[in-house]
Amino acid sequence: GDSVTQMEGPVTLSEEAFLTINCTYTATGYPSLFWYVQYPGEGLQLLLKATKADDKGSNKGFEATYRKETTSFHLEKGSVQVSDSAVYFCALSDTGRRALTFGSGTRLQVQP
Amino acid sequence: DTAVSQTPKYLVTQMGNDKSIKCEQNLGHDTMYWYKQDSKKFLKIMFSYNNKELIINETVPNRFSPKSPDKAHLNLHINSLELGDSAVYFCASSQGEGRETQYFGPGTRLLVL
Repeated sequence: GDSVTQMEGPVTLSEEAFLTINCTYTATGYPSLFWYVQYPGEGLQLLLKATKADDKGSNKGFEATYRKETTSFHLEKGSVQVSDSAVYFCALSDTGRRALTFGSGTRLQVQP
Repeated sequence: DTAVSQTPKYLVTQMGNDKSIKCEQNLGHDTMYWYKQDSKKFLKIMFSYNNKELIINETVPNRFSPKSPDKAHLNLHINSLELGDSAVYFCASSQGEGRETQYFGPGTRLLVL
């Protein structure tokens, strides 16, 4: 079956540091890939997505590139802010299956 | 204009009670979902409905029964609540098959005492 593996957190960074959160996946079909963000006490918000190989999703300074050869979708941001502190979820939605498979989430803490 | 809304936002109840959570989406989507987020933040699909038809039913106890009166609504009824049911329940919706973006509601935080 499908699965998503994320790096374990928490990840603690200083403001303006570079962020990478690793995500790899296994899928039986040709999935779409997503990053969702959950701020404290809130629901899930779509951060970015990519639907085919080599696509780059981007939003709010975050980027991730769909790498089919390495089955990866790593999240990056050049300069994090305190307001980026949240839990980040990598997820996939596979062909014909109407449900998201999530990674375990990575908590990011950004210190001033 | 809230795209996916859930009520209630918080639910505190005693073991053995029966409770319902309601979800509505105004995006015109044809597929709706219930996900459960446990205390470790892990998210897992429970149910999925397409045009009021159940299409995914994961290994969820029979005490959980979803109901979709129309395309825009998906409710979750839970009988005989147990301590282990304490979690955050998220409703979501999407349009089309498989690979489409899902939009989530704000969640219902259920605490069973």
